[in-house]
Amino acid sequence: DQQVKQNSPSLSVQEGRISILNCDYTNSMFDYFLWYKKYPAEGPTFLISISSIKDKNEDGRFTVFLNKSAKHLSLHIVPSQPGDSAVYFCAASDYNQGGKLIFGQGTELSVKP
Amino acid sequence: EADIYQTPRYLVIGTGKKITLECSQTMGHDKMYWYQQDPGMELHLIHYSYGVNSTEKGDLSSESTVSRIRTEHFPLTLESARPSHTSQYLCASSIPAGELFFGEGSRLTVL
Repeated sequence: DQQVKQNSPSLSVQEGRISILNCDYTNSMFDYFLWYKKYPAEGPTFLISISSIKDKNEDGRFTVFLNKSAKHLSLHIVPSQPGDSAVYFCAASDYNQGGKLIFGQGTELSVKP
Repeated sequence: EADIYQTPRYLVIGTGKKITLECSQTMGHDKMYWYQQDPGMELHLIHYSYGVNSTEKGDLSSESTVSRIRTEHFPLTLESARPSHTSQYLCASSIPAGELFFGEGSRLTVL
């Protein structure tokens, strides 16, 4: 039973345009959500997070939106750059479960010049 | 900048060999984790530790074992490697209720 789902395995975007990556979750106890970026043969690097008490968090070109009623979050990258090409993982945790992260399958973003 | 190190980065070994993947962090984090990831798949938690002498199995069953004798060190051992163990193994550490910092991973291939 997959608790965190990223239904789009891949996304292709033109440089300068907006990239929108989506993530759905099923566990209503999740209270902390994160996005990670991963290059092949490297470990994931933390991008941005959001607590369940917020519906938006922004950091430079990256914005994460959380819709708790729909159990949905999204990552917006504006403007997209070729260096953003990587696999993006959505993750969620329940503080009462010790903060262990549950990951989605990832979405491979390709930003074309 | 996170300081968490994994060795080896790449390992190719034969079936039946014993291997240990090393993981060390210099941030003094109590919480450490091992995740396993295959291409195109999610990261699966296989082991975690909340402090010295504390280890627990994760959500994905694994034949590997871990130990936590020192705060900074969290090695993973496979007593007898098999081709089904071929995967990328990612070590991470965190502060309580914070984001995880990952090492660069160890890619294991068992022939």
